[in-house]
Amino acid sequence: GAVVSQHPSWVICKSGTSVKIECRSLDFQATTMFWYRQFPKQSLMLMATSNEGSKATYEQGVEKDKFLINHASLTLSTLTVTSAHPEDSSFYICSAREQGIRYTFGSGTRLTVV
Amino acid sequence: EDKVVQSPLSLVVHEGDTVTLNCSYEVTNFRSLLWYKQEKKAPTFLFMLTSSGIEKKSGRLSSILDKKELFSILNITATQTGDSAVYLCAVDPPAIYGGSQGNLIFGKGTKLSVKP
Repeated sequence: GAVVSQHPSWVICKSGTSVKIECRSLDFQATTMFWYRQFPKQSLMLMATSNEGSKATYEQGVEKDKFLINHASLTLSTLTVTSAHPEDSSFYICSAREQGIRYTFGSGTRLTVV
Repeated sequence: EDKVVQSPLSLVVHEGDTVTLNCSYEVTNFRSLLWYKQEKKAPTFLFMLTSSGIEKKSGRLSSILDKKELFSILNITATQTGDSAVYLCAVDPPAIYGGSQGNLIFGKGTKLSVKP
């Protein structure tokens, strides 16, 4: 079945620094990938849709200059949290959809900003 | 305004019990309704439902969709401690609901705890 690899699994960074999270589709091409954020005891909230070769589409309330998304190839999308602050601490998950079939999620990245 | 509402939010049962998790939604003309199980990390896929009235089964788990009444249920029979998780319901909406086409709208989940 389709596999989506997300890296790193967890990261701790200092306030003000930037963190990059990678999401790779391992055995299929994904023209579109989705980035979600999940706070403790909350559900997944879509942050943005990453489109290969074009600009990402951000959900209302998500700062595009803070959460930089790059989808440079059909198998890789990256999310960079710039100038991270403690309130950005969360669980970030990517997903991809293989040719209209079901969504596959990455394993998630737990970000802690101290 | 929540478009996908799950109930209950939390449930504690004993091993061997049967549970029913509910998901109601306000999104119409969606492509599919999906159920996921989330333990400590990312959600794992359980079911995709597209047609009303057709039950999908996988072992002790089953799910059905009612497009007329706008809800779905997830049943787990003979529960085991390994079933303890958050169960998420999500709807795959058309593009008119905002965001890009193809994004999922999730409910808040039902936290199931199965005690030995």
